[in-house]
Amino acid sequence: SYELTQPPSVSVSPGQTASITCSGDKLGDKYACWYQQKPGQSPVLVIYQDIKRPSGIPERFSGSNSGNTATLTISGTQAVDEADYYCQAWDATTVVFGGGTNLTVL
Amino acid sequence: QITLKESGPTLVKPTQTLTLTCTFSGFSLSSRGVGVGWLRQPPGKAPEWLAIIYWNADQGYSPSLKSRLTITSDTSKNQVVLIMNNMDPVDTATYYCAHINHGDYGFDYWGQGTLVTVSS
Repeated sequence: SYELTQPPSVSVSPGQTASITCSGDKLGDKYACWYQQKPGQSPVLVIYQDIKRPSGIPERFSGSNSGNTATLTISGTQAVDEADYYCQAWDATTVVFGGGTNLTVL
Repeated sequence: QITLKESGPTLVKPTQTLTLTCTFSGFSLSSRGVGVGWLRQPPGKAPEWLAIIYWNADQGYSPSLKSRLTITSDTSKNQVVLIMNNMDPVDTATYYCAHINHGDYGFDYWGQGTLVTVSS
């Protein structure tokens, strides 16, 4: 079965750039999307089709996907961005999630 | 605006069958490209996709759970139902339904989730 691998945790200082990676075999040939989830809340889609932002998502969130790695980048990270982040892709007709990355802003 | 809400039992016993209902508004499951998926998230773990049903009645299931799952829709009631049989304590999780526009590949609207505990 297809697997997506994320680092368990990433730390960033306020105002700096955070990068969260998601690795999978030939992931660049698929569309990746990213979700943000804060404690006690439902996931929120922040990036879809590799690079697109849903309406209402701040411009500091951006994405890329090439080769075996998709990357979520948060520029000028704010304290409010502290959350768990999950990547997701489709493997044929199956939805696959990564294991998640806890982003700490300190 | 698009909203979804899950409903069903909060506690089921091992071997029992779980039936969850997703009631939605703000979109039609008859519209081309639209789908509603079910996902779950055990405490402290990543989301796991379970099943999906599309505007044209096509369905998809997680390969590892396919034998236990059934997804149906009632467009007149704006509802999607998930049935999972032979429940086990490892199935304890928050269960979500979510909207997807198939061409976008991401679940853009999620329900609030419902915690289902499997215990005798």
